[in-house]
Amino acid sequence: LAKTTQPISMDSYEGQEVNITCSHNNIATNDYITWYQQFPSQGPRFIIQGYKTKVTNEVASLFIPADRKSSTLSLPRVSLSDTAVYYCLVGGLSGTYKYIFGTGTRLKVLA
Amino acid sequence: NAGVTQTPKFQVLKTGQSMTLQCAQDMNHNSMYWYRQDPGMGLRLIYYSASEGTTDKGEVPNGYNVSRLNKREFSLRLESAAPSQTSVYFCASSEVRTSGGQETQYFGPGTRLLVL
Repeated sequence: LAKTTQPISMDSYEGQEVNITCSHNNIATNDYITWYQQFPSQGPRFIIQGYKTKVTNEVASLFIPADRKSSTLSLPRVSLSDTAVYYCLVGGLSGTYKYIFGTGTRLKVLA
Repeated sequence: NAGVTQTPKFQVLKTGQSMTLQCAQDMNHNSMYWYRQDPGMGLRLIYYSASEGTTDKGEVPNGYNVSRLNKREFSLRLESAAPSQTSVYFCASSEVRTSGGQETQYFGPGTRLLVL
Protein backbone atom coordinates (compact mmCIF):
# COMPACT_ATOMS: atom_id res chain seq x y z
CA LEU A 1 0.00 0.00 0.00
CA ALA A 2 1.30 3.41 -0.92
CA LYS A 3 2.30 5.62 2.01
CA THR A 4 1.05 9.20 1.94
CA THR A 5 2.52 12.36 3.44
CA GLN A 6 0.46 15.48 4.14
CA PRO A 7 1.08 18.70 6.07
CA ILE A 8 -0.04 18.33 9.66
CA SER A 9 -1.99 21.57 9.75
CA MET A 10 -2.97 24.63 7.73
CA ASP A 11 -4.72 27.91 8.50
CA SER A 12 -6.77 29.94 6.04
CA TYR A 13 -9.24 32.80 6.01
CA GLU A 14 -12.82 32.69 4.90
CA GLY A 15 -13.28 33.21 1.18
CA GLN A 16 -9.80 32.04 0.24
CA GLU A 17 -8.95 29.03 -1.89
CA VAL A 18 -7.16 26.30 0.03
CA ASN A 19 -4.83 23.76 -1.55
CA ILE A 20 -3.72 20.69 0.41
CA THR A 21 -1.01 18.60 -1.17
CA CYS A 22 -0.47 14.90 -0.57
CA SER A 23 2.74 13.09 -1.49
CA HIS A 24 2.54 9.43 -2.54
CA ASN A 25 5.84 8.58 -4.19
CA ASN A 26 5.28 4.81 -4.45
CA ILE A 27 1.79 4.89 -5.89
CA ALA A 28 1.02 1.79 -7.94
CA THR A 29 -0.34 1.72 -11.46
CA ASN A 30 -3.85 0.69 -10.43
CA ASP A 31 -4.06 2.96 -7.37
CA TYR A 32 -6.65 5.70 -7.07
CA ILE A 33 -6.39 8.79 -4.87
CA THR A 34 -9.27 9.50 -2.53
CA TRP A 35 -9.85 12.36 -0.10
CA TYR A 36 -12.03 12.26 3.01
CA GLN A 37 -13.13 15.04 5.37
CA GLN A 38 -13.68 14.57 9.09
CA PHE A 39 -15.41 17.03 11.40
CA PRO A 40 -14.89 16.81 15.16
CA SER A 41 -16.86 13.97 16.77
CA GLN A 42 -17.95 12.57 13.40
CA GLY A 43 -16.81 9.82 11.07
CA PRO A 44 -14.95 10.73 7.86
CA ARG A 45 -16.94 11.66 4.78
CA PHE A 46 -15.94 11.05 1.15
CA ILE A 47 -15.04 14.21 -0.77
CA ILE A 48 -13.50 13.27 -4.08
CA GLN A 49 -11.57 10.57 -5.93
CA GLY A 50 -9.36 10.62 -9.00
CA TYR A 51 -6.84 8.66 -11.04
CA LYS A 52 -5.11 11.27 -13.18
CA THR A 53 -5.32 14.89 -14.39
CA LYS A 54 -8.20 16.83 -12.84
CA VAL A 55 -11.46 15.87 -11.21
CA THR A 56 -14.06 18.38 -10.03
CA ASN A 57 -17.31 17.99 -8.15
CA GLU A 58 -19.62 20.35 -6.30
CA VAL A 59 -17.36 20.39 -3.25
CA ALA A 60 -13.75 20.33 -4.43
CA SER A 61 -11.24 19.78 -7.21
CA LEU A 62 -8.47 17.23 -7.29
CA PHE A 63 -5.33 17.84 -9.34
CA ILE A 64 -3.04 14.94 -10.17
CA PRO A 65 0.15 15.52 -12.19
CA ALA A 66 1.28 13.16 -14.90
CA ASP A 67 3.71 11.25 -12.66
CA ARG A 68 0.93 10.78 -10.04
CA LYS A 69 3.46 11.00 -7.18
CA SER A 70 1.44 13.74 -5.55
CA SER A 71 -2.04 15.19 -5.61
CA THR A 72 -3.63 18.46 -4.53
CA LEU A 73 -7.06 18.89 -3.04
CA SER A 74 -8.43 22.34 -3.81
CA LEU A 75 -11.28 23.83 -1.78
CA PRO A 76 -12.66 27.01 -3.38
CA ARG A 77 -13.70 29.94 -1.17
CA VAL A 78 -13.61 28.17 2.17
CA SER A 79 -15.95 29.04 5.00
CA LEU A 80 -15.74 28.45 8.74
CA SER A 81 -17.67 25.20 8.25
CA ASP A 82 -14.78 23.77 6.22
CA THR A 83 -12.69 23.56 9.39
CA ALA A 84 -11.93 19.84 9.57
CA VAL A 85 -9.27 17.19 9.12
CA TYR A 86 -8.64 16.11 5.53
CA TYR A 87 -7.23 12.68 4.72
CA CYS A 88 -5.57 11.52 1.54
CA LEU A 89 -5.78 7.80 0.77
CA VAL A 90 -4.16 5.84 -2.00
CA GLY A 91 -5.31 2.39 -2.96
CA GLY A 92 -6.39 -0.01 -5.63
CA LEU A 93 -9.62 -1.08 -7.17
CA SER A 94 -12.48 -2.74 -5.35
CA GLY A 95 -11.23 -5.71 -3.40
CA THR A 96 -8.33 -3.91 -1.75
CA TYR A 97 -9.77 -3.30 1.68
CA LYS A 98 -6.89 -2.17 3.83
CA TYR A 99 -7.27 1.59 3.59
CA ILE A 100 -4.62 3.63 5.39
CA PHE A 101 -5.83 7.01 6.61
CA GLY A 102 -2.67 8.50 8.09
CA THR A 103 -2.85 11.51 10.40
CA GLY A 104 -4.42 13.87 7.87
CA THR A 105 -4.21 17.66 7.53
CA ARG A 106 -5.99 19.76 10.13
CA LEU A 107 -7.45 22.79 8.34
CA LYS A 108 -8.55 25.73 10.41
CA VAL A 109 -10.55 28.46 8.68
CA LEU A 110 -10.42 31.83 10.38
CA ALA A 111 -12.96 34.64 10.16
CA ASN B 1 -32.10 5.63 5.00
CA ALA B 2 -30.28 5.78 8.32
CA GLY B 3 -26.92 4.90 6.70
CA VAL B 4 -24.52 3.38 9.22
CA THR B 5 -25.66 3.23 12.82
CA GLN B 6 -23.61 2.34 15.88
CA THR B 7 -24.52 1.48 19.44
CA PRO B 8 -23.74 2.49 22.07
CA LYS B 9 -22.62 6.09 21.57
CA PHE B 10 -20.53 6.09 24.73
CA GLN B 11 -19.37 3.40 27.14
CA VAL B 12 -17.22 3.22 30.23
CA LEU B 13 -15.66 -0.13 31.12
CA LYS B 14 -13.40 -1.37 33.84
CA THR B 15 -10.24 -3.25 32.93
CA GLY B 16 -11.07 -6.89 32.22
CA GLN B 17 -14.72 -6.33 31.38
CA SER B 18 -16.09 -7.41 28.02
CA MET B 19 -18.48 -5.72 25.65
CA THR B 20 -19.76 -5.79 22.09
CA LEU B 21 -20.04 -2.77 19.84
CA GLN B 22 -22.87 -3.03 17.36
CA CYS B 23 -22.95 -1.71 13.81
CA ALA B 24 -25.64 -1.90 11.16
CA GLN B 25 -26.02 -0.47 7.67
CA ASP B 26 -29.10 -0.22 5.50
CA MET B 27 -27.39 0.53 2.18
CA ASN B 28 -27.05 -3.10 1.08
CA HIS B 29 -23.25 -2.84 1.04
CA ASN B 30 -21.15 -5.97 0.90
CA SER B 31 -18.08 -4.64 2.71
CA MET B 32 -17.92 -3.47 6.30
CA TYR B 33 -15.09 -2.22 8.53
CA TRP B 34 -14.13 -1.44 12.09
CA TYR B 35 -11.60 1.34 12.81
CA ARG B 36 -10.26 2.91 15.95
CA GLN B 37 -9.16 6.53 16.27
CA ASP B 38 -6.99 7.66 19.13
CA PRO B 39 -6.81 11.38 20.05
CA GLY B 40 -5.11 13.46 17.36
CA MET B 41 -4.50 10.41 15.20
CA GLY B 42 -5.83 9.01 11.99
CA LEU B 43 -8.01 5.94 11.74
CA ARG B 44 -6.50 2.48 12.04
CA LEU B 45 -8.26 -0.56 10.62
CA ILE B 46 -9.06 -3.28 13.17
CA TYR B 47 -11.02 -5.80 11.08
CA TYR B 48 -12.95 -5.81 7.86
CA SER B 49 -15.48 -8.02 6.16
CA ALA B 50 -15.56 -8.21 2.39
CA SER B 51 -18.86 -10.04 2.37
CA GLU B 52 -21.30 -11.85 4.59
CA GLY B 53 -19.57 -14.76 6.26
CA THR B 54 -16.00 -13.53 5.80
CA THR B 55 -13.77 -11.46 8.04
CA ASP B 56 -10.10 -10.49 7.90
CA LYS B 57 -7.61 -8.78 10.16
CA GLY B 58 -6.59 -5.21 9.61
CA GLU B 59 -3.69 -3.25 11.03
CA VAL B 60 -4.48 -3.57 14.78
CA PRO B 61 -6.62 -6.70 15.43
CA ASN B 62 -5.10 -7.84 18.74
CA GLY B 63 -7.61 -7.80 21.61
CA TYR B 64 -10.65 -7.77 19.33
CA ASN B 65 -12.99 -10.22 17.67
CA VAL B 66 -15.65 -9.58 15.07
CA SER B 67 -18.79 -11.21 13.76
CA ARG B 68 -20.49 -10.54 10.46
CA LEU B 69 -23.92 -11.61 11.58
CA ASN B 70 -25.58 -10.97 8.24
CA LYS B 71 -25.21 -8.53 5.39
CA ARG B 72 -26.44 -5.62 7.51
CA GLU B 73 -24.64 -6.18 10.80
CA PHE B 74 -20.98 -6.29 11.83
CA SER B 75 -20.13 -6.41 15.53
CA LEU B 76 -16.85 -5.82 17.36
CA ARG B 77 -16.15 -7.57 20.66
CA LEU B 78 -13.63 -6.74 23.33
CA GLU B 79 -13.22 -9.89 25.41
CA SER B 80 -11.10 -8.35 28.18
CA ALA B 81 -10.89 -4.58 27.91
CA ALA B 82 -7.60 -2.80 28.60
CA PRO B 83 -6.90 0.94 29.10
CA SER B 84 -4.98 0.89 25.80
CA GLN B 85 -8.29 0.23 24.08
CA THR B 86 -9.66 3.59 25.13
CA SER B 87 -10.52 5.16 21.80
CA VAL B 88 -13.27 6.18 19.42
CA TYR B 89 -14.48 3.27 17.32
CA PHE B 90 -15.92 3.83 13.88
CA CYS B 91 -17.80 1.35 11.77
CA ALA B 92 -18.00 1.82 8.01
CA SER B 93 -19.46 0.14 4.99
CA SER B 94 -18.50 0.61 1.38
CA GLU B 95 -19.94 0.40 -2.09
CA VAL B 96 -18.42 -0.17 -5.48
CA ARG B 97 -18.20 3.06 -7.47
CA THR B 98 -19.99 2.96 -10.81
CA SER B 99 -17.15 5.04 -12.25
CA GLY B 100 -14.55 2.56 -11.01
CA GLY B 101 -11.77 3.07 -8.51
CA GLN B 102 -11.64 2.59 -4.78
CA GLU B 103 -14.86 1.81 -3.01
CA THR B 104 -16.46 4.76 -1.23
CA GLN B 105 -16.69 4.26 2.51
CA TYR B 106 -19.59 5.51 4.62
CA PHE B 107 -18.95 5.94 8.31
CA GLY B 108 -21.11 5.72 11.39
CA PRO B 109 -21.12 8.37 14.15
CA GLY B 110 -18.66 6.46 16.33
CA THR B 111 -18.62 4.87 19.78
CA ARG B 112 -16.52 6.56 22.46
CA LEU B 113 -15.03 3.93 24.76
CA LEU B 114 -13.25 4.66 28.02
CA VAL B 115 -11.52 1.81 29.80
CA LEU B 116 -10.54 2.53 33.39
